[in-house]
Amino acid sequence: EVQLVESGGGLVQPGGSLRLSCTVSGFPFSGYWMHWVRQAPGKGLVWVSRINEDGSSPTYADSVKGRFTLSRDNAKNTLYLQMNSLRAEDTAVYYCARVGDRSGYYKFDFWGQGTLVTVSS
Amino acid sequence: QLVLTQSPSASASLGASVKLTCTLSSGHSSYAIAWHQQQPEQGPRYLMKLNSDGSHSKGDGIPDRFSGSSSGAERYLTISSLQSDDEADYYCQTWGTGTVLFGGGTKLTVL
Repeated sequence: EVQLVESGGGLVQPGGSLRLSCTVSGFPFSGYWMHWVRQAPGKGLVWVSRINEDGSSPTYADSVKGRFTLSRDNAKNTLYLQMNSLRAEDTAVYYCARVGDRSGYYKFDFWGQGTLVTVSS
Repeated sequence: QLVLTQSPSASASLGASVKLTCTLSSGHSSYAIAWHQQQPEQGPRYLMKLNSDGSHSKGDGIPDRFSGSSSGAERYLTISSLQSDDEADYYCQTWGTGTVLFGGGTKLTVL
């Protein structure tokens, strides 16, 4: 059974940092593109970042570029999102997702349950 | 600039059909998109990839009641024989080199 489990969310002050983790099981992690997508309370889905199979080419939404860093440890089946210089507008549920097409762009076929990040003083 | 536009809400009666629209911004009418469903309090679910020529490939287990079509810069999701659990938010999504974009979503109410 494919599972994606996010952790690391919580309450942080503006300007602070958090590291989210997404630990997966049930599929060969190193063979898939992985993404983070966030959703502010009552709002829509917003793409955050994606990373290729070997972790060599992460890309980011403009809103987080320079502040967030996406990485992966294929030996540990874990995806990491390091979030620095957090702002109130980063408050959201953060989902990790597996993308099952070879381009790594659209077949978001498995999602985690999400982890809530709240940025507030 | 690549933008996806969706109506915020739609409604249709139980057993009827509904057609949701996603509009690509000017200059991007050849782009493929994907449709995703998010039921209340749940994570999203991939429905299908929809190409500019209307051809589409659905995700595993997606019923035949869900279909896609295209016309110019418009991408459509048609749901027939509406059921109560089709009440959900529906997002279109597209991509460019190194980037992914979601539309604002359409909240579908089944009456």
